[in-house]
Amino acid sequence: DIQMTQSPSSVSASVGDRVTITCRASRAIGPWLAWYQVKPGKAPKLLIHVISSLQSGVSSRFSGSGSGTDFTLTISSLQPEDFATYYCQQADRFPWTFGQGTRVEIK
Amino acid sequence: QVQLRESGPGLVRPSETLSLTCAVSGGSIRGYRWNWIRQSAGKGLEWIGRVDDSETIYNPSLKSRVAMSLDTSRSQFSLQVRSVTAADTAFYYCARGTAAADYWGQGTLVTVS
Repeated sequence: DIQMTQSPSSVSASVGDRVTITCRASRAIGPWLAWYQVKPGKAPKLLIHVISSLQSGVSSRFSGSGSGTDFTLTISSLQPEDFATYYCQQADRFPWTFGQGTRVEIK
Repeated sequence: QVQLRESGPGLVRPSETLSLTCAVSGGSIRGYRWNWIRQSAGKGLEWIGRVDDSETIYNPSLKSRVAMSLDTSRSQFSLQVRSVTAADTAFYYCARGTAAADYWGQGTLVTVS
């Protein structure tokens, strides 16, 4: 399986801060990298697919970048509704695998 | 707007079979790929497998115990996990997608006890 490693595991930030989450794959993957936002009791939300494509309806303060094994999710200006856990996911090879998650907490 | 809703027992005895159904509304079930994903307490997300009109693909870690099926007449798809143990206790989500999951159900908690 392709292992996905996220860092940091948690980050404390304030409203308005720029937040960057990284995801490293155990081998090079193609463009099949997605990011999700998960809040307790709510359906996970797709933010970014194919590395950098913003899902319809998602705020442009979210952006994705990267290639090969290293990928990044950036929140340009953190808003109150952004406090959640974020996961990366690869679909280059079966099985799909996810990072362990990055919890974004209020500072 | 596509909506997915999981249903099934919230409590399953060890060694028995976990059975869940995902009802799809607001869009066609045909022509898409449908996934099951779970999240155990304190753990991350684990992809269980996917089903579509022509094939099923399972996570090798669960393949020997899992079965999925698609019922286009009822616009729903299902998951069975056999011989469950406490390690199968998790929130189970159904989701649509080929390389990323764009629509998800709210999830349903299944406890093995």
